[in-house]
Amino acid sequence: GEDVEQSLFLSVREGDSSVINCTYTDSSSTYLYWYKQEPGAGLQLLTYIFSNMDMKQDQRLTVLLNKKDKHLSLRIADTQTGDSAIYFCAETPGGNQFYFGTGTSLTVIP
Amino acid sequence: GAVVSQHPSWVICKSGTSVKIECRSLDFQATTMFWYRQFPKQSLMLMATSNEGSKATYEQGVEKDKFLINHASLTLSTLTVTSAHPEDSSFYICSASPDRARGYTFGSGTRLTVV
Repeated sequence: GEDVEQSLFLSVREGDSSVINCTYTDSSSTYLYWYKQEPGAGLQLLTYIFSNMDMKQDQRLTVLLNKKDKHLSLRIADTQTGDSAIYFCAETPGGNQFYFGTGTSLTVIP
Repeated sequence: GAVVSQHPSWVICKSGTSVKIECRSLDFQATTMFWYRQFPKQSLMLMATSNEGSKATYEQGVEKDKFLINHASLTLSTLTVTSAHPEDSSFYICSASPDRARGYTFGSGTRLTVV
């Protein structure tokens, strides 16, 4: 399958911005997603970006896509303790296959 | 919209018994559903793709006879862990998508513990 990589851990202070990064290998990705997983729960879709877009903003979330470098990032402004969770990026190159990153565990320090 | 319901949320069973996990799309039809398994401190691993009305497609290394998948209707897929052993203890999650633009909706997961 395709490789989708993320850093495993990130710690930020409450009120600061968090930036979670993701790299992928498949240049034919069409949609790229960010999911949030809270302990013991399934994944919650946070946002997605189509591959012909560079940026998408949704309230406190900003997604940046550098297609040339195959780099995707999720910025969370004014990070809150409720944002502590594991964040997965995922991409689909087409068809029904869907590749997840390893997940980044975000810890927000009060 | 785009709700996927998974049941049960947790189950404890004895070694050697079988366990069935259900995944339902509540407000959309899903010709394809996906079954994942989460290993500790690792990402989700895709186990198989469930196809309505036909055989499931299993990922490499996943035992077809152990993890039986049935997708008998457009809103229901089931995963049966047969002759479960302690090493099958894990968190199993299903997903489906009403359309690609909305991404995939995941069930809440099933925590299986085999004792």
